[in-house]
Amino acid sequence: GAGVSQTPSNKVTEKGKYVELRCDPISGHTALYWYRQSLGQGPEFLIYFQGTGAADDSGLPNDRFFAVRPEGSVSTLKIQRTERGDSAVYLCASSLTETQYFGPGTRLLVL
Amino acid sequence: GNSVTQMEGPVTLSEEAFLTINCTYTATGYPSLFWYVQYPGEGLQLLLKATKADDKGSNKGFEATYRKETTSFHLEKGSVQVSDSAVYFCALSVQGRDDKIIFGKGTRLHILP
Repeated sequence: GAGVSQTPSNKVTEKGKYVELRCDPISGHTALYWYRQSLGQGPEFLIYFQGTGAADDSGLPNDRFFAVRPEGSVSTLKIQRTERGDSAVYLCASSLTETQYFGPGTRLLVL
Repeated sequence: GNSVTQMEGPVTLSEEAFLTINCTYTATGYPSLFWYVQYPGEGLQLLLKATKADDKGSNKGFEATYRKETTSFHLEKGSVQVSDSAVYFCALSVQGRDDKIIFGKGTRLHILP
């Protein structure tokens, strides 16, 4: 299918390590969003791209988190010096108009 | 700020029972309202939406009406099935600089055969 894909599906890392999470949006979708879902909670907004630029990064929790979308399609969420509290499911969504289509998520576990 | 409050779960019902999951919101401007569903082992899916007051969203037998006077968007279904077992999220977005979605905490629904 042509849905949103995310890789890896699962990532286990050690505290202090660097991780990259990848999102492939639906082809032609100009808007891309990252959310984080902690256990038992609803997804929380992290960052929004319109094209190549980050139009709103107000949800990034601190400067260890960074995201890029250099060609206006694939996006990478980067987390430096991971902490145990970063463990969550990271969701990506894309849209052309109002409706956002979500990927299956990357489950990150920081040991 | 913008926020969504929904009833806590888990909610356990027998098959063919009537379902209501309450949701209220706080928002500046004129939000669009959504119900998303997360089936076991699957990703988040849009179930239904309403974009203005008094609109009714419906899908798969589920309905929700956008009530501006009570700032509510309660989810209802007349006769639930075992296959409706999932986590349901009420959510909103406010048109503007972006359409980021603000989610409630989710309500886990168990349907017993």
